[in-house]
Amino acid sequence: AQSVTQLGSHVSVSEGALVLLRCNYSSSVPPYLFWYVQYPNQGLQLLLKYTTGATLVKGINGFEAEFKKSETSFHLTKPSAHMSDAAEYFCAVSVAGNNRLAFGKGNQVVVIP
Amino acid sequence: DTGVSQNPRHKITKRGQNVTFRCDPISEHNRLYWYRQTLGQGPEFLTYFQNEAQLEKSRLLSDRFSAERPKGSFSTLEIQRTEQGDSAMYLCASSFQQGAGTEAFFGQGTRLTVV
Repeated sequence: AQSVTQLGSHVSVSEGALVLLRCNYSSSVPPYLFWYVQYPNQGLQLLLKYTTGATLVKGINGFEAEFKKSETSFHLTKPSAHMSDAAEYFCAVSVAGNNRLAFGKGNQVVVIP
Repeated sequence: DTGVSQNPRHKITKRGQNVTFRCDPISEHNRLYWYRQTLGQGPEFLTYFQNEAQLEKSRLLSDRFSAERPKGSFSTLEIQRTEQGDSAMYLCASSFQQGAGTEAFFGQGTRLTVV
């Protein structure tokens, strides 16, 4: 079964600094990878996804992620953090023929002014 | 269409009582999913429907849990004889078309507290 690992439940970043959230996946077949964001009292919103093709994926709100098969990683980055980026971020994986998303434990991002 | 809608948003119930949650997906979406999210964890898959057919159930979905999607529209998730361990956020999501890699749209969730 496929799974993802997100280390460091809480991540603090200064406003204007680089945001880097790490995600490593485990899958015996080619994965589809997702990053979702969850703001307080709201549902999960898709930031970006990788299915096939270009390994550098750009998403909403200035976020991007790069699929690296050799490292089984799909790390999320944003060059300059904004106060509005404070939220919880989840990495998830699915595979063809499997209709479920397997989520990581999430990263709670705190942006320090 | 304003997205996936879940009701109620919050539910407090006494242990042993039955509860039912409702999910209204985005109208043209043929797939509907239920997930459970506990504090400090990511969402965990419970079950999924394609139209009215329930095609997959997780081992997390014990016999006390039942989900339906009559007529392939809204869905209900019922928990019988609730236990304190059932306290969690229950998330519903929907998507259109087949295959993995399709974006799932999530509702705001129903937060269940069993006292």
